[in-house]
Amino acid sequence: GENVEQHPSTLSVQEGDSAVIKCTYSDSASNYFPWYKQELGKRPQLIIDIRSNVGEKKDQRIAVTLNKTAKHFSLHITETQPEDSAVYFCAATGGTSYGKLTFGQGTILTVHP
Amino acid sequence: GAGVSQSPSNKVTEKGKDVELRCDPISGHTALYWYRQSLGQGLEFLIYFQGNSAPDKSGLPSDRFSAERTGGSVSTLTIQRTQQEDSAVYLCASSSGQGAGGYTFGSGTRLTVV
Repeated sequence: GENVEQHPSTLSVQEGDSAVIKCTYSDSASNYFPWYKQELGKRPQLIIDIRSNVGEKKDQRIAVTLNKTAKHFSLHITETQPEDSAVYFCAATGGTSYGKLTFGQGTILTVHP
Repeated sequence: GAGVSQSPSNKVTEKGKDVELRCDPISGHTALYWYRQSLGQGLEFLIYFQGNSAPDKSGLPSDRFSAERTGGSVSTLTIQRTQQEDSAVYLCASSSGQGAGGYTFGSGTRLTVV
């Protein structure tokens, strides 16, 4: 089955800096890669996703890039704000695990004012 | 409904008792998933229902765990003879089907086994 590794496990930045979280996946047939944000005590919420026919997708201050050859994808947050502080999870699906998301272990992002 | 609804939101049970957790997915969503999240940990897959297909139970940690989905809608996750290590937040999610995109999660049930 699919295996997703996420790094770093914790990330601390100053307000206004950029933050980058990276994930690698094992199943070359995976074709859908969402990112979720989970604030303390809340449910995970989808913030951006990318499909394998696209190399990059941007939505305001967040962007995701995908390198299918290397089997890795990254979340980029620019001009970080304290409200970006949360746990971020990457996930992958497709191929043998089609329909079932396999999640990375999460990154705790802290944005200091 | 407007979102994925889970009940109860919190459950405290004594070790050895059985518990039932309920999930009501978004109306029309054919896929339903159960995940478990232990304190400060990631999302551990438990079970996946897709339409009328046989469920993918590959993530259930032991035979004490079971789940069913009646009428293609509401799902119940049952944990028999609960153990302290079962304490976690149990999250349900639904989606409109394979390849349709990301999940919508419910708020979860926080289970504490004492």
